[in-house]
Amino acid sequence: GAVVSQHPSRVICKSGTSVKIECRSLDFQATTMFWYRQFPKKSLMLMATSNEGSKATYEQGVEKDKFLINHASLTLSTLTVTSAHPEDSSFYICSARGGSGYGYTFGSGTRLTVV
Amino acid sequence: DQQVKQNSPSLSVQEGRISILNCDYTNSMFDYFLWYKKYPAEGPTFLISISSIKDKNEDGRFTVFLNKSAKHLSLHIVPSQPGDSAVYFCAASSTGNQFYFGTGTSLTVIP
Repeated sequence: GAVVSQHPSRVICKSGTSVKIECRSLDFQATTMFWYRQFPKKSLMLMATSNEGSKATYEQGVEKDKFLINHASLTLSTLTVTSAHPEDSSFYICSARGGSGYGYTFGSGTRLTVV
Repeated sequence: DQQVKQNSPSLSVQEGRISILNCDYTNSMFDYFLWYKKYPAEGPTFLISISSIKDKNEDGRFTVFLNKSAKHLSLHIVPSQPGDSAVYFCAASSTGNQFYFGTGTSLTVIP
């Protein structure tokens, strides 16, 4: 079946540094990818929708200059958390349109800890 | 504003018995619903879906029921197995593009 590879699975970084998270669709082309963030004891919250070759669409309240999204190819989208702060510590998950579940396949997630 | 709600944060069930996980939504425009299963430190794994034209969908031990008038869906797992212990999320969509997730129900199946 369709697979979305998300890397890294865990990352610890110092406050003020930037972290890049990659999301790759391994056996299908994903024209649209979604980035979610999970807060403790809360639902997955959509951060932004990225479309290959165009600018990402950010949800209200999400700082686009802080969470940079690039979808340069049909199989790769990246989320860069810039100038990370401890409050950015969270679980980030990508989803690509394609594969099972009404056409959506999720990556395995990235646990970001900012110290 | 939480459009999809799972009011039970946790549920414990004896192995072999039925697990029933509930989900309520507020947006009557939602026309597609999903259940996901999530293990710690992993991304969600798709379980089962249902569209608004149906009121029941079954896949092996998993059955999802949809009550549109009540804006309620439920996931039944029978018989429950210890390996089913995980957090279960329901999700809903009206456009096919964005899903709204519930807060999850942590299921523990006791051997």
